[in-house]
Amino acid sequence: QAVLTQPSSLSASPGASASLTCTLRSGINVGSYRIYWYQQKPGSPPQYLLRYKSDSDKQQGSGVPSRFSGSKDASANAGILLISGLQSEDEADYYCMIWHSNAVVFGGGTKLTVL
Amino acid sequence: EVQLVESGGVVLQPGESLRLSCAASGFAFDENTMHWVRQAPGKGLEWVSYIDRNGVTEYADSVKGRFTISRDNSKNSLYLQMNSLIIGDTALYYCAKDSDWTLDYWGQGTLVTVSS
Repeated sequence: QAVLTQPSSLSASPGASASLTCTLRSGINVGSYRIYWYQQKPGSPPQYLLRYKSDSDKQQGSGVPSRFSGSKDASANAGILLISGLQSEDEADYYCMIWHSNAVVFGGGTKLTVL
Repeated sequence: EVQLVESGGVVLQPGESLRLSCAASGFAFDENTMHWVRQAPGKGLEWVSYIDRNGVTEYADSVKGRFTISRDNSKNSLYLQMNSLIIGDTALYYCAKDSDWTLDYWGQGTLVTVSS
C-alpha cells in the first residue's frame, strides 16, 4: 500500500470549490505530519502551494492566492487541499508530499479538470 | 531571484553512467539542503535524494547504491552521479531547494533517457 494515496482525477466547474484529498497509509497518523501541496502544469516544474499541519502550523507559498488552503480530516486520516472559486488556470496536476522516515514521499497526483 | 538550472541530461544505454549538475543562484546555497526529484514521462513525482548543508545524504531505495549526490558550495552547484543506469531511470530530473523542510523552488529539469 502506498504511503500517500490521491484520487487520480477530479472534475469541477468554474467558480465552484474543489477538495483534493491525500490519504495516509494506515498506521501513519496524519496528525503528526505537515502535508505539502504542489501544483504542476504541463511542461512546467512543480510549484509549491502551501503546507498544513494545523491552524497554528501552516504556510502559504509565496504569491499563492488565499483561495488555496489546506486542512485535515483526521477521521479519514487525510490531508485536504481546498481550492475555492475555481478558475480555468487551476487546471493542473496536484501532488501532496510528506517527510516520512527521513525521506520525502509524494502522492501519485490528482489531475484536476475545470470544466 | 532564486534560479536553479539543471544540465547533463542525455540519451544513454543501460549500464552506463552520467553526472547531472544543478547551478544555483539567488540564495545562500551553502545554507540550504538540496534535493533531486525525478518524473518519468507521463508519471508522477519521485523523490531521489537530498544532501544537507553538512553533507549528510539520504536516498530513495530505488537508487540507493547506484546514485551519489554531492555539492560544491564554492561553485554553488549540486550534482547527481548516476551509475548502473536502468531503463526505469528514464525521467526528467529536477533539482529543488529546501527551506524549512519545504521544497520551495524547483529548476526546469534535465531529461535523462536510458534506452537500448
